[in-house]
Amino acid sequence: SQQGEEDPQALSIQEGENATMNCSYKTSINNLQWYRQNSGRGLVHLILIRSNEREKHSGRLRVTLDTSKKSSSLLITASRAADTASYFCATVGTGNQFYFGTGTSLTVIP
Amino acid sequence: ETGVTQSPTHLIKTRGQQVTLRCSSQSGHNTVSWYQQALGQGPQFIFQYYREEENGRGNFPPRFSGLQFPNYSSELNVNALELDDSALYLCASSLPGAFYEQYFGPGTRLTVT
Repeated sequence: SQQGEEDPQALSIQEGENATMNCSYKTSINNLQWYRQNSGRGLVHLILIRSNEREKHSGRLRVTLDTSKKSSSLLITASRAADTASYFCATVGTGNQFYFGTGTSLTVIP
Repeated sequence: ETGVTQSPTHLIKTRGQQVTLRCSSQSGHNTVSWYQQALGQGPQFIFQYYREEENGRGNFPPRFSGLQFPNYSSELNVNALELDDSALYLCASSLPGAFYEQYFGPGTRLTVT
């Protein structure tokens, strides 16, 4: 399967702390994306990092990409209770297929 | 809110029946993808439509079929429903030239009994 894997599966932190989640994938990519999903609802696109980029920032989000290790990490700084959600990485394979990982469930405790 | 809507919100069907799920894309989006998300799993790509033509398909049997209309709204049809088809079905649309940034609808929760 080309599906990615997120690590850890679940993460619980206090409000104000930083949250880091990791994604590993199996095939060559043009880019990698991160999405957030609140409790069984639709996904929200957070950030896209291209294969020739190593790091990208967007507000409190920082994404890194290591194509040699086929891995990416998402850092959320100064977490808030509203950041409680599941986070997925996604890549695109042949035939325009999007592959989502299994997700990290983040709980931010107020 | 992404501007992508799906109907119905929830649906209960019996094994062997057929179901049609609907998606209305955000204005100007000409690409729509459908996903199946089982409980506790990531979304699984079913297929994608671009300008009314199927433009990619995941590992789903032919009883999963779709349509995209000239106004870029879309349908997912599933025949001969099986218990394992119980899942959240998500559609996602994207702008021309911004294929990788998908806007997801809230999903349809399908339960097959």
